[in-house]
Amino acid sequence: DQQVKQNSPSLSVQEGRISILNCDYTNSMFDYFLWYKKYPAEGPTFLISISSIKDKNEDGRFTVFLNKSAKHLSLHIVPSQPGDFAVYFCAAYAANTGNQFYFGTGTSLTVIP
Amino acid sequence: EPEVTQTPSHQVTQMGQEVILRCVPISNHLYFYWYRQILGQKVEFLVSFYNNEISEKSEIFDDQFSVERPDGSNFTLKIRSTKLEDSAMYFCASSLKRNSGYTFGSGTRLTVV
Repeated sequence: DQQVKQNSPSLSVQEGRISILNCDYTNSMFDYFLWYKKYPAEGPTFLISISSIKDKNEDGRFTVFLNKSAKHLSLHIVPSQPGDFAVYFCAAYAANTGNQFYFGTGTSLTVIP
Repeated sequence: EPEVTQTPSHQVTQMGQEVILRCVPISNHLYFYWYRQILGQKVEFLVSFYNNEISEKSEIFDDQFSVERPDGSNFTLKIRSTKLEDSAMYFCASSLKRNSGYTFGSGTRLTVV
């Protein structure tokens, strides 16, 4: 069973506007969430994380929001730039599962100049 | 929903020993990947595999590493003579198309002692 889901395989956004990438999870034991950015033939690059005790974490243009009751998190990129063109993965982790990461299937972001 | 399965979840091995990490990708996927994440570092690409041969590999993937799809369902990563610095979390992934629509496994933690 896919415990972390990204239901939008792709997203196109105009340069300068906001990009919102969504992620849903099913396991209420997850207590740490991460967003990764990935270019072809490279490993995912860590972007931003949030623990379950928070509902928002901001780092520059990137903000992650966590809604525990809805088991939903989102990544906001403002303003979107052409260099943001990549696949974005959310991942979740539960401290009591021995460091097992659960990744979503990714959302490919295209930023239109 | 289909998932990528990795076994074992945790493997402890002595330095110099051979280790095989196993992955069962999603059955209709055509591309297969291995990544690793050393504790505290970024996730690194190791190798991609398509049509029964390696399509891309990184500098990390030297002669100590090999991959195999022995029976049409399993996808294995072999490390011939493990070193202490091989200790890491190893992720398998598969996709239907190249570099898109990945499904990641939940990882195997390899500890070399």
